[in-house]
Amino acid sequence: EAGVTQSPTHLIKTRGQQATLRCSPISGHTSVYWYQQALGLGLQFLLWYDEGEERNRGNFPPRFSGRQFPNYSSELNVNALELEDSALYLCASSLGWQSTGELFFGEGSRLTVL
Amino acid sequence: GENVEQHPSTLSVQEGDSAVIKCTYSDSASNYFPWYKQELGKRPQLIIDIRSNVGEKKDQRIAVTLNKTAKHFSLHITETQPEDSAVYFCAATASGSARQLTFGSGTQLTVLP
Repeated sequence: EAGVTQSPTHLIKTRGQQATLRCSPISGHTSVYWYQQALGLGLQFLLWYDEGEERNRGNFPPRFSGRQFPNYSSELNVNALELEDSALYLCASSLGWQSTGELFFGEGSRLTVL
Repeated sequence: GENVEQHPSTLSVQEGDSAVIKCTYSDSASNYFPWYKQELGKRPQLIIDIRSNVGEKKDQRIAVTLNKTAKHFSLHITETQPEDSAVYFCAATASGSARQLTFGSGTQLTVLP
């Protein structure tokens, strides 16, 4: 069974540009979560989607946005990139909002902002 | 919202010794506490979890304890091996499920041969 897949693996952008990251959850999972992992920091919650709807967002500015498609894959968009947006962006999926607990993470997309 | 603090940030132990990582949480309604392990360059993976109706849970060399009164929980690794070297994250949520997990800042565990 395929795990959570993310693309691209690495992405280099310059300040002010936009970045788009993509995530495909495990088959059958309807919930997708996005986390930011900056160097030396923990996992900061960004966004949670379930059944196509944004269910919750973390303490990030509105230039971080995303969506979930009918096939449950998801996209994270970061507009007006700033240097401090450089981080590993992890996507995770679970069976749904009533899932018993485990998050399954992807390998991440490393975004570098120059 | 929930706040999870994790200590220590780095921990070095000799192979065969035990390692203990501690976390505290702020929301007394939290009822689900997973631990994730992230090896260098790899994805975080769940290694053990505990719910608020249980005080301790073991799985081979790893165990987690929960003190609801004090609002803290700990990860214990016995007989550490080099492959235990990784970053460990604790997390907590009041949802009882995977959603709305708040993670700690992580502990870099190094097991010295």
